[in-house]
Amino acid sequence: DADVTQTPRNRITKTGKRIMLECSQTKGHDRMYWYRQDPGLGLRLIYYSFDVKDINKGEISDGYSVSRQAQAKFSLSLESAIPNQTALYFCATSDLGQGAPWDTGELFFGEGSRLTVL
Amino acid sequence: DAKTTQPNSMESNEEEPVHLPCNHSTISGTDYIHWYRQLPSQGPEYVIHGLTSNVNNRMASLAIAEDRKSSTLILHRATLRDAAVYYCILRNYNQGGKLIFGQGTELSVKP
Repeated sequence: DADVTQTPRNRITKTGKRIMLECSQTKGHDRMYWYRQDPGLGLRLIYYSFDVKDINKGEISDGYSVSRQAQAKFSLSLESAIPNQTALYFCATSDLGQGAPWDTGELFFGEGSRLTVL
Repeated sequence: DAKTTQPNSMESNEEEPVHLPCNHSTISGTDYIHWYRQLPSQGPEYVIHGLTSNVNNRMASLAIAEDRKSSTLILHRATLRDAAVYYCILRNYNQGGKLIFGQGTELSVKP
């Protein structure tokens, strides 16, 4: 089983619908992240969480919300989906690094959730 | 956030070394240099990271310039499986430790 699991893997929905993408991890990491990737582009950070009570906005949080239900679960919601939210979404986790106090360690990514908004 | 600059694409021959450059002239003292790669149809995967000294692991080597304004990812013997987009990223704990991806370098490997 994958360490970072995303559901659903593929979803087609209509404009205005509410959508939730779920992420669960078995790595025991405190830190979790949501990214989106558009064709031919790198990943852009939507939200991140350093523990259950911590939620932070990333580069492109407008139109999205998140919930950190437990250490292992981090959900991304689109309250009213629009076509330009069509993208590939990735969840990731990380722990502290082994170096200096500010070493942030490597990220482990899920396999992605492909969302199409018609 | 400090930015990185990478070539859009590079080509390599199988079993030859590959040197992937990255410029980061605005790097700060607490920025770690991270490299990730993304194979087709997969999520990114960690390759290597470092702060000041050169680093080696089973996947690659990271050579960091003395002034830290540039770095080079070295794949010692490219394989077809190494064809991917390689991202050079500066990561700063003081900014939440988040990874901000750029465009990356698309590496193609010829048999």
